[in-house]
Amino acid sequence: AAGVIQSPRHLIKEKRETATLKCYPIPRHDTVYWYQQGPGQDPQFLISFYEKMQSDKGSIPDRFSAQQFSDYHSELNMSSLELGDSALYFCASSSPFPGREVAEAFFGQGTRLTVV
Amino acid sequence: AQTVTQSQPEMSVQEAETVTLSCTYDTSESDYYLFWYKQPPSRQMILVIRQEAYKQQNATENRFSVNFQKAAKSFSLKISDSQLGDAAMYFCAYRRGSGGGADGLTFGKGTHLIIQP
Repeated sequence: AAGVIQSPRHLIKEKRETATLKCYPIPRHDTVYWYQQGPGQDPQFLISFYEKMQSDKGSIPDRFSAQQFSDYHSELNMSSLELGDSALYFCASSSPFPGREVAEAFFGQGTRLTVV
Repeated sequence: AQTVTQSQPEMSVQEAETVTLSCTYDTSESDYYLFWYKQPPSRQMILVIRQEAYKQQNATENRFSVNFQKAAKSFSLKISDSQLGDAAMYFCAYRRGSGGGADGLTFGKGTHLIIQP
């Protein structure tokens, strides 16, 4: 079965540079979530999109922005990178649910960003 | 704001034994969902089990079951017949029910589960 695809899998950037992470959700999934997991930390929710509109916002720095495109893929843009931005960035996707069913979020394998 | 607390940074269990991981949460919402995710060394996040707050019956998935105590805001995970492949970091997570389903998850700090052969 198709899973959530994230690219690149690994990325090394220097301080103050810009990075763009891409996420391709499972086919027919219209909701995308972004999470940041620092070393030894729990994942922190950054932002989500539903039908190409921002849905929920977490602890996303102002230096970061994201969007969901017409084909439902999403990109996380990170500018003025800092050493503290080094982390594993997860994308997850889910499909709409009718009634009270739980929309399970399926996670990608993550992009490991290292800022040097 | 909701919070999720996992008070056991690390747990160890003998293979084939049963282990229970604790999780408590704090929320003012009445409609929400609770999850347990497993993160093995590969760092992949894998859903283990989920519970809807409006359901009184505890969720069960094969060897995994939960003890959901809504009044106490407690959501523990029981793993029966522990296997070496169960070794991982386990995260308890919360998501509010309102908002159309696109709300982000709030995770606990995690419990590192070690399986002794």
